[in-house]
Amino acid sequence: ETGVTQTPRHLVMGMTNKKSLKCEQHLGHNAMYWYKQSAKKPLELMFVYSLEERVENNSVPSRFSPECPNSSHLFLHLHTLQPEDSALYLCASSQGLGVPDGEQFFGPGTRLTVL
Amino acid sequence: KQEVTQIPAALSVPEGENLVLNCSFTDSAIYNLQWFRQDPGKGLTSLLLIQSSQREQTSGRLNASLDKSSGRSTLYIAASQPGDSATYLCAVRPRGSTLGRLYFGRGTQLTVWP
Repeated sequence: ETGVTQTPRHLVMGMTNKKSLKCEQHLGHNAMYWYKQSAKKPLELMFVYSLEERVENNSVPSRFSPECPNSSHLFLHLHTLQPEDSALYLCASSQGLGVPDGEQFFGPGTRLTVL
Repeated sequence: KQEVTQIPAALSVPEGENLVLNCSFTDSAIYNLQWFRQDPGKGLTSLLLIQSSQREQTSGRLNASLDKSSGRSTLYIAASQPGDSATYLCAVRPRGSTLGRLYFGRGTQLTVWP
């Protein structure tokens, strides 16, 4: 595997379910990100992790809970979601936050549908 | 707060045409600007990254320019092909942001027909 991978690619869940999205980067990067892409909005940053430490929570509801056990893996735990949370969730990584020209590389995304 | 606008929102052209996609941003204090391609239901593929000190970058049939003082970037696609059909997104990374935050436009949806 190369680049940034995400699983599952598609997920359908009910509002009372608990599920997790997984992201893995094979680029040796130190920073990882979760973005949300809704149908009618630009891509929105949700969370940023640097060296496994969360450095930003962009006013995201607590029903979204990120976890970064090491610099290669990032999870997004989901519980009691709402239908308006249906979106494409994208993971990205970059060399590091202190690198001004750090290019971000994105995974293929998880298409989430909340019923 | 940085705002990014892309014009046009959608573009449909015959194969072979040369295209210009536009991106504008409100705050010129940026580290860099990145152009991405997104195929339907898929993730983002980075096309070109222009540092704030650069004026343009080229990759194959793609050329991106940056005029930081006026807050504008253009993506030029030469000799378009049906395989170029996708949504093109631009994103800027503001100065003063140590968090790697990117601000995205809504994208230009491009259709190239044979």
